[in-house]
Amino acid sequence: QKEVEQDPGPLSVPEGAIVSLNCTYSNSAFQYFMWYRQYSRKGPELLMYTYSSGNKEDGRFTAQVDKSSKYISLFIRDSQPSDSATYLCAILKAAGNKLTFGGGTRVLVKP
Amino acid sequence: GAVVSQHPSRVICKSGTSVKIECRSLDFQATTMFWYRQFPKQSLMLMATSNEGSKATYEQGVEKDKFLINHASLTLSTLTVTSAHPEDSSFYICSARDRRASQRYSNQPQHFGDGTRLSIL
Repeated sequence: QKEVEQDPGPLSVPEGAIVSLNCTYSNSAFQYFMWYRQYSRKGPELLMYTYSSGNKEDGRFTAQVDKSSKYISLFIRDSQPSDSATYLCAILKAAGNKLTFGGGTRVLVKP
Repeated sequence: GAVVSQHPSRVICKSGTSVKIECRSLDFQATTMFWYRQFPKQSLMLMATSNEGSKATYEQGVEKDKFLINHASLTLSTLTVTSAHPEDSSFYICSARDRRASQRYSNQPQHFGDGTRLSIL
């Protein structure tokens, strides 16, 4: 079993819809949770960073963490074609150094 | 925001050539940099952790003599793929963490470069 599981998609939604992404993890030592966006042939770009259970909002993006269920989510409101990319969850242990990535979910927002 | 520059963005060379890739943190100092490899439609796989002024720590299965890492300063790490072969063709990405503690992040996240696409003929 992988430490971090993420549905690979692709996830296709119409423009303006809410995109819902999630990851599950198995190790309770994970304490820091990140979402990265990666466009084709580019490096990952940090979107959201959180370390506590609950919601964190930044513009159209909301990150949600449920440590009791070992489940993290990213919601994108009012999705745009420019949101079409691969979204990677990444998790870090407390005082750790190495990121553990999910496999990435490919998202396609159709105009 | 934190910017990591990676150079070159694209390399095409013949089998047997050694290729050097540079990773620079432009607006912060990074005691730790990371090197990843990514195959098409797959996630990032950590190859090694590069620490300024000391030897890199390689992940299991990564040949240290094949992938030479040098982290000579707080803003520069290099990865050299020695005697590259077609199976080394991949997308190589570096990342860096800001050495300064900040109020925004209790554990500094990694910021990534734009990657180097290496093609060995």
